[in-house]
Amino acid sequence: GEDVEQSLFLSVREGDSSVINCTYTDSSSTYLYWYKQEPGAGLQLLTYIFSNMDMKQDQRLTVLLNKKDKHLSLRIADTQTVDSAIYFCAETILNSSASKIIFGSGTRLSIRP
Amino acid sequence: DTGVSQNPRHKITKRGQNVTFRCDPISEHNRLYWYRQTLGQGPEFLTYFQNEAQLEKSRLLSDRFSAERPKGSFSTLEIQRTEQGDSAMYLCASRQQSGTLTGELFFGEGSRLTVL
Repeated sequence: GEDVEQSLFLSVREGDSSVINCTYTDSSSTYLYWYKQEPGAGLQLLTYIFSNMDMKQDQRLTVLLNKKDKHLSLRIADTQTVDSAIYFCAETILNSSASKIIFGSGTRLSIRP
Repeated sequence: DTGVSQNPRHKITKRGQNVTFRCDPISEHNRLYWYRQTLGQGPEFLTYFQNEAQLEKSRLLSDRFSAERPKGSFSTLEIQRTEQGDSAMYLCASRQQSGTLTGELFFGEGSRLTVL
């Protein structure tokens, strides 16, 4: 089946690290993504990881992939108020037509002062 | 190129009316996708095009929904006899796919539909 699951809410203190978790079901996924959506704005690609990688780091963002458990996480170091948004995990589904992207329901990240 | 453009940004209509949304993708992108997003949910896949060919449709896309991409450039999504349950944000996205190489999926800002 095609399903991506995330927790709905995460609250962290400013300056701490945020870790957003996601599980997916399609073992054939080649790309896994993290998108960010700020209030009233469109979806913005934050980062992605190929399925043959375990980790990818991009400035304050670290993506960890556990293919065995089909678990993806996004760590945001030194979380700031500008990081307040909804974060969507997504996977590429390969089928006969190929390459549609399935999204989770999103994790709303809020920052405490 | 200014990215993926959608219009209208917001449409308010009465139940039973037809509505049409337009998406202009990034010009060199061969793949175009339509998604629907309701409050508190992630985007749900509706359909996608490779150039002008519509290759896949979700079962979410009832007979009242039709999408076209006649010249492989812009696309339209029409909803006939709208129902209140159709109220949502309709998102368009595009990407370039060459063989097995997949480019980033770029989203427009969406067209919000409110059915009264």
